[in-house]
Amino acid sequence: AQKVTQAQTEISVVEKEDVTLDCVYETRDTTYYLFWYKQPPSGELVFLIRRNSFDEQNEISGRYSWNFQKSTSSFNFTITASQVVDSAVYFCALSERGNNNDMRFGAGTRLTVKP
Amino acid sequence: ETGVTQSPTHLIKTRGQQVTLRCSSQSGHNTVSWYQQALGQGPQFIFQYYREEENGRGNFPPRFSGLQFPNYSSELNVNALELDDSALYLCASRLLGQPKGYTFGSGTRLTVV
Repeated sequence: AQKVTQAQTEISVVEKEDVTLDCVYETRDTTYYLFWYKQPPSGELVFLIRRNSFDEQNEISGRYSWNFQKSTSSFNFTITASQVVDSAVYFCALSERGNNNDMRFGAGTRLTVKP
Repeated sequence: ETGVTQSPTHLIKTRGQQVTLRCSSQSGHNTVSWYQQALGQGPQFIFQYYREEENGRGNFPPRFSGLQFPNYSSELNVNALELDDSALYLCASRLLGQPKGYTFGSGTRLTVV
C-alpha cells in the first residue's frame, strides 16, 4: 500500500529564514511519482514539482529546492529566504503506475512565515 | 490555457439528501479524479475516470459515484449524505503523460447539517 507521511503538522518561521518540509513515503511499486503541492487559503492546489522514481537528481527552482533520496524514501522540500507569501499548507503526494497514477497525499504541513 | 472549474463553490445540504458536484476540466484532459479534503487533512482519493469509465477507486462507499462526459466535464454524486461528508471536494484533471500531473480546481465546500 502506498503511504505518505508529513510528520511536521505546523511550522512557523520569520521572514528570510530557510525552512525544510519533510516527506517520507512508502510504496511497493518500482515506478512511481512524487509531487509537492501548495494550498493557499483559496483552496486550490498549486503544482510545484513532480519527480519520477528513476530520477534522483535534486532540483532547484528559484528559492525552492527538493532533495529526493530513495535510500531513505524521502522527498524533502526546502524554501530558502522564506517570504510571507510562502505561507500556505504544503502537501507531498505519491502516485504509483500500478494504481493508475492516482495520487495519495500526506496530511500536509502548515507553514506560517512571519514578517 | 483554461483551468479547472468547479461548481458550486459552496453548498449546504441536509443529512440524508443527495448532492451533485460539477467539474469542467481543461480541454483535452482525458483523465479526471475527485478528492475529498476534510478540514485540516490532506485530500483523500475518491475515484478516477479515464475516457468516461471509472478506472480507480479509493476507500469510499458506493453512495459516492461519478460520471465523466465527452466534453471534458464530470460529476460527483453523493447519496444519503452524512455529517462526515462535510468537506472540500476537489476535482483534478490531466492529460495522460502530462509532466505536470494534475491540474486542480478550487473545490466545492460542502456542509451537511
